[in-house]
Amino acid sequence: EVQMVESGGGLVKPGGSLRLSCAASGFTFSSYSFNWVRQAPGKGLEWVSSTTRSDNYRKYLASVDGRFTISRDNAKNAVFLQMTSLRVEDTAIYYCARILNDNNYGSGYYDVWGRGTLVTVSS
Amino acid sequence: EIVLTQSPATLSLSPGERATLSCRASQSMRGYLAWYQQRPGQVPRLLIFDASNRAPGIPARFSGSGFGTDFTLTISSLEPEDFAIYYCQQRADWPLTFGGGTKVEIK
Repeated sequence: EVQMVESGGGLVKPGGSLRLSCAASGFTFSSYSFNWVRQAPGKGLEWVSSTTRSDNYRKYLASVDGRFTISRDNAKNAVFLQMTSLRVEDTAIYYCARILNDNNYGSGYYDVWGRGTLVTVSS
Repeated sequence: EIVLTQSPATLSLSPGERATLSCRASQSMRGYLAWYQQRPGQVPRLLIFDASNRAPGIPARFSGSGFGTDFTLTISSLEPEDFAIYYCQQRADWPLTFGGGTKVEIK
């Protein structure tokens, strides 16, 4: 079964850090690019970051650039999002999403989603 | 940044009716648009990609059309499970962006 499972979310104070993980199974992990997408409570979807199959090209939403770092480990079938200097406005469910029909730059559409992990930034 | 504007914000219809959802882009995206469905408490599901291609397993009652700046998702005859929020998303340029969503609710 194709699935992705996120972990690492939780409650953190403003300025704190978290590392999210996404464990994938049921498909050839190294053949796909992955993105992180977030959804604030009761709000819409927002792209956060992208990485390519070989992790040689990364992109970030402007508001997280310099604070978040995406990475992957193809040997462990996992994608990560290191988040530092967290802000209240980063509060959201963070989804790991697989890219369909990758254009080699980590951009595309999302055909497989994890169930998400909730990050709450509050004092 | 490409801004996607979805309309209407809410669509109130009855089962069996036809639903027409719009997504308008602030600049041309060629055909690089997808549609997702999100039911309450669930993760988004890809319905349509590249404007008009149904994703695997998506029923034929869902169809997409459009090019450039104007796109449409049509649900030919609403089933009870279709009442949900629908988002459009572009992959034409960075940052990748989503529309604000259209909620299809039971009338």
